[in-house]
Amino acid sequence: AQSVAQPEDQVNVAEGNPLTVKCTYSVSGNPYLFWYVQYPNRGLQFLLKYITGDNLVKGSYGFEAEFNKSQTSFHLKKPSALVSDSALYFCAVRPVSSGSARQLTFGSGTQLTVLP
Amino acid sequence: DGGITQSPKYLFRKEGQNVTLSCEQNLNHDAMYWYRQDPGQGLRLIYYSQIVNDFQKGDIAEGYSVSREKKESFPLTVTSAQKNPTAFYLCASSIVGSGGSLAKNIQYFGAGTRLSVL
Repeated sequence: AQSVAQPEDQVNVAEGNPLTVKCTYSVSGNPYLFWYVQYPNRGLQFLLKYITGDNLVKGSYGFEAEFNKSQTSFHLKKPSALVSDSALYFCAVRPVSSGSARQLTFGSGTQLTVLP
Repeated sequence: DGGITQSPKYLFRKEGQNVTLSCEQNLNHDAMYWYRQDPGQGLRLIYYSQIVNDFQKGDIAEGYSVSREKKESFPLTVTSAQKNPTAFYLCASSIVGSGGSLAKNIQYFGAGTRLSVL
């Protein structure tokens, strides 16, 4: 069975500093990987995805993520954090080989707080 | 949240009552999903549907029911059998396609319904 681990429930960073939100995964075969963001009392918004190709993926709002197959990680990064980046971030994975629509598994989420 | 409308935004359930959460999408997506979100637990899949008139149980289907009579609509009923219904419920949709379509892997979410018990 596939799984996603987000080891940090909470990440605090000062505005203007780089941020990293960690994600590791377990899946049979090759993965599709995703990051979503959730603002309070809202649904999830898609940020970026890794499907194949370049290990460094760029997404919305200046975010990027690096796929590391040997470490089974897909950490979310941003060079300079903004207060408006404060939100709940979810990593998700599904196996490439799966033909089922249901096979997307989410992590438990990491609350990012950017301090002014 | 564009393209997926969930209503109501807030809902209160009395003990022993069934309540229905609405989810409508105008994205022409084949697949639709219902998730339950509890603090610190991420999203858990309740039901999903890949095509009209067909749906499958997710990880926590007990106490819930769904229907998929139209492509655009996937309502969720929280029955009286669900003893701990207080949560934030999210509906999502996606393309279901064959081949190398990358877009099929992205799920789009509604704004959610917060259900509480009176």
